[in-house]
Formats: sequence, structure tokens, C-alpha cells
Amino acid sequence: SQQGEEDPQALSIQEGENATMNCSYKTSINNLQWYRQNSGRGLVHLILIRSNEREKHSGRLRVTLDTSKKSSSLLITASRAADTASYFCAPAYQTGANNLFFGTGTRLTVIP
Amino acid sequence: NAGVTQTPKFQVLKTGQSMTLQCAQDMNHEYMSWYRQDPGMGLRLIHYSVGAGITDQGEVPNGYNVSRSTTEDFPLRLLSAAPSQTSVYFCASSYSPPETGYEQYFGPGTRLTVT
Repeated sequence: SQQGEEDPQALSIQEGENATMNCSYKTSINNLQWYRQNSGRGLVHLILIRSNEREKHSGRLRVTLDTSKKSSSLLITASRAADTASYFCAPAYQTGANNLFFGTGTRLTVIP
Repeated sequence: NAGVTQTPKFQVLKTGQSMTLQCAQDMNHEYMSWYRQDPGMGLRLIHYSVGAGITDQGEVPNGYNVSRSTTEDFPLRLLSAAPSQTSVYFCASSYSPPETGYEQYFGPGTRLTVT
């Protein structure tokens, strides 16, 4: 399978702490995207990082990309209870497959 | 903008019945796709379209049919429902295919149960 693989599968932290989620993927990418899904809802795009970028920031989110290791990480700083959700990475491969390959996600619980 | 809309929100079918899940977007996006989400499996692509009149298969296309007669609409048809098709279905759209660097906008999903 070419799906991204998130690690850990589940993460529980206290409000105010930082949360780090990791993603590994299979082959060369054009970009890698991170999405959030609140329980029972559709996915919401968080951030996109291109293959020639190493780090990107958006508010409290920081994404890194290491193409040599075929991995990415998502850091959420100063977490809030509202950050409780599942987080998915989705690599867009260079194969011309015209789609994203979502992993099974990391379930983040932020305890107030 | 309404974004991506899906109907119905919930549906129960009996084995062998057929139905169409509706998806529409008002953002003039060329790329549209259908995913199913099952516990422990992540999202898997069923079919996608890069523009009106053009569709292609994704990872799990069997038992599903799509067409794209307009830019706005991308219905998903279940030909003869099976219990294995019990899932949550998401429609998504973007300006162009994801490898070109555009985010996807997701609908709220349709929860389908086949008995």
C-alpha cells in the first residue's frame, strides 16, 4: 500500500503541552498534506508542504519534511481541548496517480 | 459559498438495493473524488475525476460507478449494495489534482449501512 503511515496511533496530552505526530511514506512525493478530522465530521486541510521545502509554519502548527527519510512530522504547540481530533497525513506521489494516500491517522486527545 | 455538499447524511439499504450518493461543489473545482472511510483502514479512494466528462478508478472501485456531466456534480452510484459497502463516504474537491499542490475540500460525509 502507498498510504501514509502515522505514528503514534493515539496520543493523549494535557492542555498546554505540545503534540508531535509523525508520518512515513513510500516513494518520491510532490507534496505532503496534513488534515484534521473531528469526530463524525469531514476532513479539514491544515497545511501542505512541498517536496522542496523542509519546514512550514501555520499558527500553532509546524510541519517538517525529510525526503531522505521519507518522513514528515506535525507539531501542535500549546495544545487546546479543541485540538482533540484525528490527524491524517496524505502524501501526493510523483507517480501521477492523481490522488492522495491517506493513512489511518493519529487520534489526539487533549485533556483540559 | 456552500463548499462541498453531500446528500443524504445517513442511509440504510438492504443487500442488493441500488442508490446514488450525491456530491456537489460551488467552487468551480476541476478535481473531485470519492473516498470511503472504514475503522482502522484510513480513507481509501474509490473514483476520481479531473474534469467534466473524465473519470478514473481509485484504489477500491468495485461495486461503484461514477459520472461527471457537469463541473459541479459528482454522484456515486452503488449498483447492488453489499454489507461490505457499509462505510462512511466522503466527497472531496480541489482546484486541480493534489500532486499539483492544491488542498482538498471535504464534504460532511454520508454514513451508509447495508443490512
